[in-house]
Amino acid sequence: EAGVVQSPRYKIIEKKQPVAFWCNPISGHNTLYWYLQNLGQGPELLIRYENEEAVDDSQLPKDRFSAERLKGVDSTLKIQPAELGDSAVYLCASSFRGAPGEQFFGPGTRLTVL
Amino acid sequence: TQLLEQSPQFLSIQEGENLTVYCNSSSVFSSLQWYRQEPGEGPVLLVTVVTGGEVKKLKRLTFQFGDARKDSSLHITAAQPGDTGLYLCAPQNRDDKIIFGKGTRLHILP
Repeated sequence: EAGVVQSPRYKIIEKKQPVAFWCNPISGHNTLYWYLQNLGQGPELLIRYENEEAVDDSQLPKDRFSAERLKGVDSTLKIQPAELGDSAVYLCASSFRGAPGEQFFGPGTRLTVL
Repeated sequence: TQLLEQSPQFLSIQEGENLTVYCNSSSVFSSLQWYRQEPGEGPVLLVTVVTGGEVKKLKRLTFQFGDARKDSSLHITAAQPGDTGLYLCAPQNRDDKIIFGKGTRLHILP
């Protein structure tokens, strides 16, 4: 069974440019999470979806970040415009049901903003 | 805002030694998960504990949830180089939010 797929794995952009990350969760998982992980830190939740509904986006900086999960399957996270402080690893995870089910994580996208 | 602390932040020990890492908070949690993360990969679930005082064993790893469900520990017996990684505790509070600690970075020297 395929795990959570994320692309790209690495992205280098200049500040003020837009960037998008894509996530395909495990088939059948209705809950999808986007996390941000800074170096030496634990993951911080940005947004959680139950099917296509964003049920927790309280930590998403909505002035520059947006996310969508139109058909309740794959999801896109966008940053526009990117800032130097956005450099981090962006992790996607999915679970069959909401917490406390096991979250399966993708390998992440490492973003570097120059 | 709940405070979640993992200690130590870093630990480097020789192969064969025993170690314990801790996850502490002032809040009561409904459950708690431990994950291990290796470089370039996402975290992988090791265990979920739900009941206060619960002890779970996974080969050489022993996990305990505090009686008051505010803290947890992970004990590794006879550590091996394959145990190297970032150990994250992730408690869940009563509104289903899961938060991750900053982790303990463990390095086992061969």
